[in-house]
Amino acid sequence: AQSVAQPEDQVNVAEGNPLTVKCTYSVSGNPYLFWYVQYPNRGLQFLLKYITGDNLVKGSYGFEAEFNKSQTSFHLKKPSALVSDSALYFCAVRDTPNSGGYQKVTFGTGTKLQVIP
Amino acid sequence: DTGVSQDPRHKITKRGQNVTFRCDPISEHNRLYWYRQTLGQGPEFLTYFQNEAQLEKSRLLSDRFSAERPKGSFSTLEIQRTEQGDSAMYLCASSLAVAVQETQYFGPGTRLLVL
Repeated sequence: AQSVAQPEDQVNVAEGNPLTVKCTYSVSGNPYLFWYVQYPNRGLQFLLKYITGDNLVKGSYGFEAEFNKSQTSFHLKKPSALVSDSALYFCAVRDTPNSGGYQKVTFGTGTKLQVIP
Repeated sequence: DTGVSQDPRHKITKRGQNVTFRCDPISEHNRLYWYRQTLGQGPEFLTYFQNEAQLEKSRLLSDRFSAERPKGSFSTLEIQRTEQGDSAMYLCASSLAVAVQETQYFGPGTRLLVL
């Protein structure tokens, strides 16, 4: 069974400071990892994904994430936080697809990011 | 707009009534997913379609829930005899099945409140 954990319910960071939102995962095969952001009363917006290749993945709005296989982590990072980055962030994982090319995505419980002016 | 759309955005209903939600995926996407999200939780998988075929249903999808995608384009999710516990955000997502590169794109959601 696959699972994903976001150990922090909330992360507070001052505007202009670097931010990190943590995510760890568990899969039986090769992990496919995703970050989404959700603004109030909105759906989820795709930020970035790791499929294979370079462990550092760059995504939308200046975000990046680092895949660490030994620590089974995929932490989301940004060098300089903006107030507009304040939102709910979800990490998600998908295991190796089955023979039909499908494997469902499992989401974490989310981390609320609060960027303080 | 080429994104995923959902209608309605909000629905308030009385317990026992039936409700139906619609999702229009990104036009070339052949997979469509329904999720439920409650406060403080991530999206929970309900069901998914590949073209018009419903290929997987979660145990969360009780007999009161039914989903269709009749022509492989838009989809509907119906909840019969709604209960207060059905109150949640219902999210639709779509994707193009390209094996490991597949990424799901979400609509804005339908927020359901059962009184």
